Amino acid sequence: KAGVTQTPRYLIKTRGQQVTLSCSPISGHRSVSWYQQTPGQGLQFLFEYFSETQRNKGNFPGRFSGRQFSNSRSEMNVSTLELGDSALYLCASSLGVEKTQYFGPGTRLLVL
Amino acid sequence: QKEVEQNSGPLSVPEGAIASLNCTYSDRGSQSFFWYRQYSGKSPELIMSIYSNGDKEDGRFTAQLNKASQYVSLLIRDSQPSDSATYLCAVNFPGNTPLVFGKGTRLSVIA
Repeated sequence: KAGVTQTPRYLIKTRGQQVTLSCSPISGHRSVSWYQQTPGQGLQFLFEYFSETQRNKGNFPGRFSGRQFSNSRSEMNVSTLELGDSALYLCASSLGVEKTQYFGPGTRLLVL
Repeated sequence: QKEVEQNSGPLSVPEGAIASLNCTYSDRGSQSFFWYRQYSGKSPELIMSIYSNGDKEDGRFTAQLNKASQYVSLLIRDSQPSDSATYLCAVNFPGNTPLVFGKGTRLSVIA
């Protein structure tokens, strides 16, 4: 079974721009979670989607948004990028009710 | 407040020794627990999950769970330099909540 895939893998943007990151979960998984990870920091929870509905949301500003499609693929968007948004963005999928999460390789975002 | 606590380390052990990584959590009603390994610059990789009190073994890894003490640990036997990584503990708290991760313990296995 193919694992979780994330695109793009690397991204360079400038302040004020917006960015969209994509995540394709493992086949059959209905839940997708997004995390931000910066050097020296743990995983910061962004959102969790299940069957196209946002099930949980972390403590991030409204510039961070996401959605999930009917095929369980998910996107997250960050508008008006700030330097502090530079991070590794990780997506993880799970069956949904069962919480075991499997991570994708991540998207490394650099904001200049 | 749903919290998962881990000693940030670094925990240094010699090659061949047993590495012991610990994690405590805030809600006694939690049902499932996970250990992930994360190499520098990479994404977390699931090592094992544990749901019942006691030990669960998988190769060189043993997870230990004590729900009464709200404590879960990971033992790595015959530690190798390739085990050097950050180990993340994650807990599934009761209710409709996301998986909560600890900040991780950095393990360094010295050859």
